[in-house]
Amino acid sequence: QVQLVESGGGVVQPGESLRLSCAASGFIFSTHAMHWVRQAPGKGLEWVAIISRDGSISYYPDSVKGRFSISRDNSKDTLYLQMSSLRPEDTAVYFCAREKTTKRADAIDIWGQGTMVTVSS
Amino acid sequence: QLVLTQPPSVSGAPGQRVTISCTGSSSNIGAGFDVHWYQQLPGTAPKLLIYGNSNRPSGVPDRFSGSKSGTSASLAISGLQAEDEADYYCQSFDDSLRCYVFGTGTKVTVL
Repeated sequence: QVQLVESGGGVVQPGESLRLSCAASGFIFSTHAMHWVRQAPGKGLEWVAIISRDGSISYYPDSVKGRFSISRDNSKDTLYLQMSSLRPEDTAVYFCAREKTTKRADAIDIWGQGTMVTVSS
Repeated sequence: QLVLTQPPSVSGAPGQRVTISCTGSSSNIGAGFDVHWYQQLPGTAPKLLIYGNSNRPSGVPDRFSGSKSGTSASLAISGLQAEDEADYYCQSFDDSLRCYVFGTGTKVTVL
């Protein structure tokens, strides 16, 4: 079945780096743009990044621009999020998610179970 | 960036109809970008509930319906059931911020 499985979360200190991975299965990975979305404890959803189907284009909100980098390896059906200069406010569950179609700003139709990132000294 | 405003909570008795509003602006919903809705049960990942303003994915009951007008959108749940108790989020794209945006979220309580 269609599935996204995140890994790589953990506890890090402020200023450190962490790389998240998301393994996709059950669909043709290279035909979908992919997102990272996060949710701080007890808070709402916040969009973090998107990458195009071929990996050539990516966008970020101001809150993570310059610190986070999204990438993908279509030969391995895997999505990544490289996070650097981490701050306590980056503490959240990070979800990997699939954009539904190639339509601009389409819905996110598949979500992973999430991986927890805690930034604390 | 939270630029889509939702009521923090709505409640209703079983069988009743409740609506959740999602208020945006001329740079997102009012600019013609679609609105999508997600349901998040406690401790789980969000689930797509409505896409493209008013379309239901396969498997979503027709008790859930969406609409959009001007700079706002709404999600309606008719025949409210205990299993509908969850957090609901709207989502769109903002052309000024150049990013995807989520609503502030609404907790639905079944009395």
